[in-house]
Amino acid sequence: EAQVTQNPRYLITVTGKKLTVTCSQNMNHEYMSWYRQDPGLGLRQIYYSMNVEVTDKGDVPEGYKVSRKEKRNFPLILESPSPNQTSLYFCASSATGLYGYTFGSGTRLTVV
Amino acid sequence: DQQVKQNSPSLSVQEGRISILNCDYTNSMFDYFLWYKKYPAEGPTFLISISSIKDKNEDGRFTVFLNKSAKHLSLHIVPSQPGDSAVYFCAASMEYGNKLVFGAGTILRVKS
Repeated sequence: EAQVTQNPRYLITVTGKKLTVTCSQNMNHEYMSWYRQDPGLGLRQIYYSMNVEVTDKGDVPEGYKVSRKEKRNFPLILESPSPNQTSLYFCASSATGLYGYTFGSGTRLTVV
Repeated sequence: DQQVKQNSPSLSVQEGRISILNCDYTNSMFDYFLWYKKYPAEGPTFLISISSIKDKNEDGRFTVFLNKSAKHLSLHIVPSQPGDSAVYFCAASMEYGNKLVFGAGTILRVKS
């Protein structure tokens, strides 16, 4: 089944403790992206990648890091999480970027 | 400043009637527009899109209309079904899908 897989689905952590949210796609897509969803703000892009080793900032990159060492994986790293990073996170991938992205099921992160 | 705005947080429609979801944008450089549907505990799924060179695109019960001069697009669902109850996000792109800008979403409830 073609899909984008994110792990974990739920995560509660403490301020300052480094964490990684993994994302993997099995569709051989070139484009991958991370979004966060917050009430009243919709989905905001954090980082995106057009290919292996090619990444760029989205609208809200502060406090996040990404890497694209392999085509299928695009992990999101929070080096020192803070409570304002409590949110619902989505990873997405696309073959061309034109006809929309396939989204993962989301990771609900709570930073206390 | 949100470049893509969905001014109606929610909409309630009777089954069988038409649902009209609206979206406004401010950036005239956007050249591709998409609608996504999201159910609780799932990621958004691509619904329908339209290029700026068109003013209408149909796919079954779903039609998207684009009015470039007014910087406005709308999604029509006819007839509405209870299974259409979800959050609908409007999104726009100016870089061939590399960077999607989303609206805040509209919750659609279809009553049976």
